[in-house]
Amino acid sequence: DTEVTQTPKHLVMGMTNKKSLKCEQHMGHRAMYWYKQKAKKPPELMFVYSYEKLSINESVPSRFSPECPNSSLLNLHLHALQPEDSALYLCASSQIARGDYGYTFGSGTRLTVV
Amino acid sequence: GQQVMQIPQYQHVQEGEDFTTYCNSSTTLSNIQWYKQRPGGHPVFLIQLVKSGEVKKQKRLTFQFGEAKKNSSLHITATQTTDVGTYFCAGQAAGNKLTFGGGTRVLVKP
Repeated sequence: DTEVTQTPKHLVMGMTNKKSLKCEQHMGHRAMYWYKQKAKKPPELMFVYSYEKLSINESVPSRFSPECPNSSLLNLHLHALQPEDSALYLCASSQIARGDYGYTFGSGTRLTVV
Repeated sequence: GQQVMQIPQYQHVQEGEDFTTYCNSSTTLSNIQWYKQRPGGHPVFLIQLVKSGEVKKQKRLTFQFGEAKKNSSLHITATQTTDVGTYFCAGQAAGNKLTFGGGTRVLVKP
């Protein structure tokens, strides 16, 4: 299995809702990442997990809460989001934490906050 | 902080022609990676360059890493409609995160 699977593919949520994005990989990668991508912009790093521990938080607002239950799963919990948080949320994984190998990206969750 | 810049932002190419996109980092990199993102898709890893002056080829794509490890280029020969998409370089300094350039959006005229 050489894929990163993200669910759901699309999500529309209100500003008072709580939702979660899920990411799964079975490549044995021990580094996992959340990126946010706005239209016509590059991916922006949000969080890095290395060996299931949070190693980088790019000063992301607390309304985004990551979780790594095990080496194959990565979640992003969303609460009280703003319309400007609407974007494509990409999960990625790589062989080692420093990313000295290419990242494998999932197809993303396209989030709309209304 | 580390910045990675890419030019051009847009590249309109006649099918069959060649073009080059350039990437420059504000800091010396340990490696640089290239990704392709098709419209509506997600970034797909193309290649990683690690050594100073390294050149790698993938069919019609030629990737170079500068001698100072601060710049890189992607050259595509005989452009095809399948080359449409946005090409991102992404640089990593030692012990740091992967920073993406702004991307070059490639449009191919048949």
